[in-house]
Amino acid sequence: AQSVTQLDSQVPVFEEAPVELRCNYSSSVSVYLFWYVQYPNQGLQLLLKYLSGSTLVKGINGFEAEFNKSQTSFHLRKPSVHISDTAEYFCAVSENQAGTALIFGKGTTLSVSS
Amino acid sequence: DGGITQSPKYLFRKEGQNVTLSCEQNLNHDAMYWYRQDPGQGLRLIYYSQIVNDFQKGDIAEGYSVSREKKESFPLTVTSAQKNPTAFYLCASRLPGTAYQDYTFGSGTRLTVV
Repeated sequence: AQSVTQLDSQVPVFEEAPVELRCNYSSSVSVYLFWYVQYPNQGLQLLLKYLSGSTLVKGINGFEAEFNKSQTSFHLRKPSVHISDTAEYFCAVSENQAGTALIFGKGTTLSVSS
Repeated sequence: DGGITQSPKYLFRKEGQNVTLSCEQNLNHDAMYWYRQDPGQGLRLIYYSQIVNDFQKGDIAEGYSVSREKKESFPLTVTSAQKNPTAFYLCASRLPGTAYQDYTFGSGTRLTVV
């Protein structure tokens, strides 16, 4: 069975600083990887996903992530954050099999201050 | 506009009561999912359904029940057997048989035991 580990539960940063949110996964088969964002008391919104091909994936709101198969990682990055990026971020994995559900990490709270 | 509607947004339950959370979608998605979210725990899968009249238990199904009589609807019942039901509940859907497809999420229901 697959699993996801988000290595930081909270990441505080100053506005306009770069940020990296770390995610590692484990699976015995090929996987698809996702990053979602959640604002308070709302559902989740897709930021980006890796299916195949280029290991650098660009998403919405200036975020990008790099898939590293040898490190089994899928870290999320943004070169310059805004106050509005304050939210909870979830990494998720899905095995490459029809009918499987997404498995989520425990989340990383990104707090951006001025 | 297509989407997923969860109702109510807030729900209060007395101990020993069963309550039902509604999830309706008009996206023509066959697959639907229920997750429970607790602080620091991420999203944990309760039940999922790939097709009408069929559903599977997730990782934390004990104390919950579901039905899938219509493609559009996937209600979740939190029974009195669920010892710690206070949580944020999220419903999601996606196209079936496509592990690479991302989810569409509802806005969630916050359940509190009083």
